[in-house]
Amino acid sequence: GENVEQHPSTLSVQEGDSAVIKCTYSDSASNYFPWYKQELGKRPQLIIDIRSNVGEKKDQRIAVTLNKTAKHFSLHITETQPEDSAVYFCAASIIGDSSYKLIFGSGTRLLVRP
Amino acid sequence: DGGITQSPKYLFRKEGQNVTLSCEQNLNHDAMYWYRQDPGQGLRLIYYSQIVNDFQKGDIAEGYSVSREKKESFPLTVTSAQKNPTAFYLCASSPPPGTTGFNEQFFGPGTRLTVL
Repeated sequence: GENVEQHPSTLSVQEGDSAVIKCTYSDSASNYFPWYKQELGKRPQLIIDIRSNVGEKKDQRIAVTLNKTAKHFSLHITETQPEDSAVYFCAASIIGDSSYKLIFGSGTRLLVRP
Repeated sequence: DGGITQSPKYLFRKEGQNVTLSCEQNLNHDAMYWYRQDPGQGLRLIYYSQIVNDFQKGDIAEGYSVSREKKESFPLTVTSAQKNPTAFYLCASSPPPGTTGFNEQFFGPGTRLTVL
């Protein structure tokens, strides 16, 4: 079945620096890749997603890139702020698959130091 | 995501007892999901349901059971057969296919279950 690996498990950056989180997936049929942010004690929330017909998507300080050949995708956060501190999860699924399942990575705990 | 609720927020159980976690949504979503979250691990799928009266096992269904008698409700029962049930449980739902954002999953606030 589909497997998603996520690295690093923890990431500490200075405020204002950039942060990059990487994920790889195993099922070449996957065509939808969302990123969720989970603040401490709260529910995960979608922050950005990308479909396989697009190589990059940007939303203000957040961007996601996708390399279908290598089967990996990355989250980029620029000009990090303390409120970016959270656990970030990548996921993969197949749009059009009857199950609508998301397979999640293991998460990255991001700490932005003031 | 404010339209999906879980109760209780905290739940304590003695070994050997079954407990049921509630998940309700008023978003008119067809699909609903249950995940388990352990420290340092991602979200692992327990069960999911695409339509009323139908559900499928996820990756870690052993020791759990669900029902989907109503579109709005997808309760999860943690049975005594679950060997290590202490965890944070998240319920989610997603809109019907063909609607905007149908692949997005909206999460509830979670239930933290502790076995004493």
